[in-house]
Amino acid sequence: SAVISQKPSRDICQRGTSLTIQCQVDSQVTMMFWYRQQPGQSLTLIATANQGSEATYESGFVIDKFPISRPNLTFSTLTVSNMSPEDSSIYLCSASSFGGTEAFFGQGTRLTVV
Amino acid sequence: QQQVKQSPQSLIVQKGGISIINCAYENTAFDYFPWYQQFPGKGPALLIAIRPDVSEKKEGRFTISFNKSAKQFSLHIMDSQPGDSATYFCAASIDSGYSTLTFGKGTMLLVSP
Repeated sequence: SAVISQKPSRDICQRGTSLTIQCQVDSQVTMMFWYRQQPGQSLTLIATANQGSEATYESGFVIDKFPISRPNLTFSTLTVSNMSPEDSSIYLCSASSFGGTEAFFGQGTRLTVV
Repeated sequence: QQQVKQSPQSLIVQKGGISIINCAYENTAFDYFPWYQQFPGKGPALLIAIRPDVSEKKEGRFTISFNKSAKQFSLHIMDSQPGDSATYFCAASIDSGYSTLTFGKGTMLLVSP
């Protein structure tokens, strides 16, 4: 199993600013993902964070808005840029290892943009 | 287009009763079907999962039933307890090795004492 720590756990930000969310896994994993979850809603995949290369974004999400880094096998960051109130959501980091059958999740970052 | 449809949206069950949550999928390439449990303020946690080569999998009070021809699968929680109150998500993926999951919309379960 893997334990995933996210920081910050919550934040209130002014519109127009940016927030970087950190995700640390306690073991080396092959895949890391970033999801968005509106309160009371399902999870939507933002992108797959690739180690050593550019992230792979899902339809509707772009690098300029959600730049992602993954410098090594245990750490990734997601930045929410030029925030608007519509970006208020829970952002979740997830990780799994190739061949493994379980995706692990962090506790999420609850972002409120005012 | 939603690829995994989950119902009901919410469910109230009395303690000791059976909770049943249903999911249907469209993509026949899906080959891994997990259920996740999420408590408020926490990330989802894997509860139980099944692959299409079996029709049922049981772990304790939790059972997945899978109907490949109907492209449906369901979660049964036997002897439901107040501690089971949470949101449950079904999901599906094409290649479990990469665990790129498509989630259903979730079911909020409340087990009354």
